Amino acid sequence: QITLKESGPTLVKPTQTLTLTCTFSGFSLSTSGVGVHWIRQPPGKALEWLALVYWDDDKRYNPSLKSRLTIVKDTSKNQVVLTITNMDPVDTGTYYCAHTMGYNTGYNWFDPWGQGTLVTVSS
Amino acid sequence: QSVLTQPPSVSGSPGQRLTISCTGSSSNIGAGYTIHWYQQLPGTAPKLLIYGNSNRPSGVPDRFSGSKSGTSASLAITGLQAEDEADYYCLSYDSSLSAWVFGGGTKLTVL
Repeated sequence: QITLKESGPTLVKPTQTLTLTCTFSGFSLSTSGVGVHWIRQPPGKALEWLALVYWDDDKRYNPSLKSRLTIVKDTSKNQVVLTITNMDPVDTGTYYCAHTMGYNTGYNWFDPWGQGTLVTVSS
Repeated sequence: QSVLTQPPSVSGSPGQRLTISCTGSSSNIGAGYTIHWYQQLPGTAPKLLIYGNSNRPSGVPDRFSGSKSGTSASLAITGLQAEDEADYYCLSYDSSLSAWVFGGGTKLTVL
């Protein structure tokens, strides 16, 4: 059974850097074809894809946020870390990580998802 | 403005059939990339409902079905039940953006 869980601060100040950790079980990020996505959702709004790291350390970022995002995997700890710099109140929302599997980028789905962690950006 | 366009809301009575559309373009759905659908119950994480345009994961009732044609896709729900009240999102890949994109979400209300 695959499970993922997000962790990190619930409150950050504007301009600070947010560091979120996705800890997973039931799969390995050293297995060919496996990846972990990060997705966020502002309160009452739609989902937005942020970043992806594959088993081979290939990384993809949302172009609109690329300059602020860094995704890193730690295979030995079964963790994926996402950092977002220069946080702003508009970055407030629930942040999710999700498992993906497959070699053909663009054809694979996100499943399952973690429960999400709510991050508020406020001074 | 989402790259994939969904109606903000739909509603129906128990037992009815309804559909939720997801309209894209030649750089996502029209390019052949697959569509996936998610159900998000209030206060919970999205749950995979349909993958690869029309496939149901184990445990998803066959009341839910997906289809795709041209630059659009649809999620159909038959025999509507009160427990289906949730937000629904479509997901695909966009080659122009080199990014995964979600629809704006559709709130389904069971009358």
